[in-house]
Amino acid sequence: GAVVSQHPSWVICKSGTSVKIECRSLDFQATTMFWYRQFPKQSLMLMATSNEGSKATYEQGVEKDKFLINHASLTLSTLTVTSAHPEDSSFYICSATPLAGSSGANVLTFGAGSRLTVL
Amino acid sequence: AQTVTQSQPEMSVQEAETVTLSCTYDTSESDYYLFWYKQPPSRQMILVIRQEAYKQQNATENRFSVNFQKAAKSFSLKISDSQLGDAAMYFCAYRGYQGGSEKLVFGKGTKLTVNP
Repeated sequence: GAVVSQHPSWVICKSGTSVKIECRSLDFQATTMFWYRQFPKQSLMLMATSNEGSKATYEQGVEKDKFLINHASLTLSTLTVTSAHPEDSSFYICSATPLAGSSGANVLTFGAGSRLTVL
Repeated sequence: AQTVTQSQPEMSVQEAETVTLSCTYDTSESDYYLFWYKQPPSRQMILVIRQEAYKQQNATENRFSVNFQKAAKSFSLKISDSQLGDAAMYFCAYRGYQGGSEKLVFGKGTKLTVNP
């Protein structure tokens, strides 16, 4: 089945530094990947839709300059939290779906998530 | 904007019994997908079942089935013969297009406890 790898699974950083999280589709190509943020005991909040070869589409209220998203290839999207602050501490999850017309094209597969702690 | 509502923050069921989780959604689209995802303590999102809006037949996956009522915009999940491993957060999700962009929107979730 489709597998999405997310790395790192957890990261601790100092306030003011930047952190990059990678999301890779291991056995399929994905034109679109999604980035979510999840606070403890809450639902997944869509942050942005990452489109291969073009700019990401951000949800209202999500700072584009704070959360940089790059989708350089059909198998890799990255989320960079710039100048991180303690309030950016959260669980970040990516998801991807195979290209239209391919097997499982309508099902999103999720990465295992990345827990970010900003000190 | 599409919204997904799960009105039951928590539910409990006895092992081997049946439980139904509720989900309603709001959309103006006619073609979309609905999903139930399970999130155990590991926080890995696991697909439980999916339903295409254009299909009238309710989806079934082993012990999991849905009651899809398109006109009522309702999409409930029934878990039969509940097992201890079914304990988790369950999220209902809607996948469609909004403002020209594809989105997957989640409800707030229902925490399911399975009692032995």
